[in-house]
Amino acid sequence: DTEVTQTPKHLVMGMTNKKSLKCEQHMGHRAMYWYKQKAKKPPELMFVYSYEKLSINESVPSRFSPECPNSSLLNLHLHALQPEDSALYLCASSQESTGVKLFFGSGTQLSVL
Amino acid sequence: GQQVMQIPQYQHVQEGEDFTTYCNSSTTLSNIQWYKQRPGGHPVFLIQLVKSGEVKKQKRLTFQFGEAKKNSSLHITATQTTDVGTYFCYYGGSQGNLIFGKGTKLSVKP
Repeated sequence: DTEVTQTPKHLVMGMTNKKSLKCEQHMGHRAMYWYKQKAKKPPELMFVYSYEKLSINESVPSRFSPECPNSSLLNLHLHALQPEDSALYLCASSQESTGVKLFFGSGTQLSVL
Repeated sequence: GQQVMQIPQYQHVQEGEDFTTYCNSSTTLSNIQWYKQRPGGHPVFLIQLVKSGEVKKQKRLTFQFGEAKKNSSLHITATQTTDVGTYFCYYGGSQGNLIFGKGTKLSVKP
């Protein structure tokens, strides 16, 4: 199994809503990532978890809250988002946290109204 | 600080023509990776280059890492419509973080 599974594929939420994005991998990878990608732009790193501990937080606003319940799961909790947060949110995993091949999920397309 | 430029931003080619995208860094890179993202898709790993002067081939794709490990290129010979997408280099930044280049969007006219 070389897949990273993300749910939901699409999400529309209001600025007062609370929602969560989910990511799962069963490749035994010990690093998991959240990226944000706006249209026609490269993915931008948000968070990295290494061995279930948050190792990189790229100064992301607190309305985004990551969680790594175990080595296979990664969540991104969303609260009080702004319309400019609308983007494709990509989860990725790798065997280690730096300098190795990333496996991406197909992403969650988020629209904030 | 470290600066990495990926060029060109866009490339339109006729099917059968060659295509090259470049990533150029102001500082030495420990390694560089290349990814392809099809329209509406997610990035997919193509290759990792680690050694100075390294050249790797995958069918019609040739990847190079410069002798000084500051430059890298991806060359596609005789493009096909299946090559359409955005090609990103991916490298370690000066703060230890990992950064995607801005990407080169390739369109292929049949």
